[in-house]
Amino acid sequence: AQTVTQSQPEMSVQEAETVTLSCTYDTSESDYYLFWYKQPPSRQMILVIRQEAYKQQNATENRFSVNFQKAAKSFSLKISDSQLGDAAMYFCAYSGANSKLTFGKGITLSVRP
Amino acid sequence: GAGVSQTPSNKVTEKGKYVELRCDPISGHTALYWYRQSLGQGPEFLIYFQGTGAADDSGLPNDRFFAVRPEGSVSTLKIQRTERGDSAVYLCASGPAGNTGELFFGEGSRLTVL
Repeated sequence: AQTVTQSQPEMSVQEAETVTLSCTYDTSESDYYLFWYKQPPSRQMILVIRQEAYKQQNATENRFSVNFQKAAKSFSLKISDSQLGDAAMYFCAYSGANSKLTFGKGITLSVRP
Repeated sequence: GAGVSQTPSNKVTEKGKYVELRCDPISGHTALYWYRQSLGQGPEFLIYFQGTGAADDSGLPNDRFFAVRPEGSVSTLKIQRTERGDSAVYLCASGPAGNTGELFFGEGSRLTVL
């Protein structure tokens, strides 16, 4: 079975600074997807960024980028120029051949003005 | 609608009662998922539909939980003889045909069992 581990329960970042959220996963599959989802207090999960395992190039979406290390099974999220609206829970998630998302426990990110 | 719609937004019930939670997915999405999220935790998989049939119900905790999707669109999660431990946010998500992995989530139904 696949597992996703987020070992940091909380992180804090100063507005305009950069923060990196860590995630590791375990799988025996070779083809899969990895995601970072954001969950604000409204509860709705919002996709931040997606990475296909077969792609070596790290995904980037505006201020959000990932460091995907397939051999190490590591998938961290970097948020540049942090904004107050980035404060939320962030979940790392895995999807493989069975088409269902497996989530980590999440990390609460706070942004200091 | 434009997004995944879940009703009710909040439901308070008494132990032992029956509840139904509804999910209206994005039009055209064939895949539909139910997740349960306890406070401070990540969502846990309950059941996955591809069309009308349950492709994977391995996450349903026991036989008090049941879900249907009779016409391949709207889904209902049914919980019988509710227990206090069933209190959680129940999230629904839908996705297009083909395994891109990306899911679109509703805002969830918060269930409180007194």
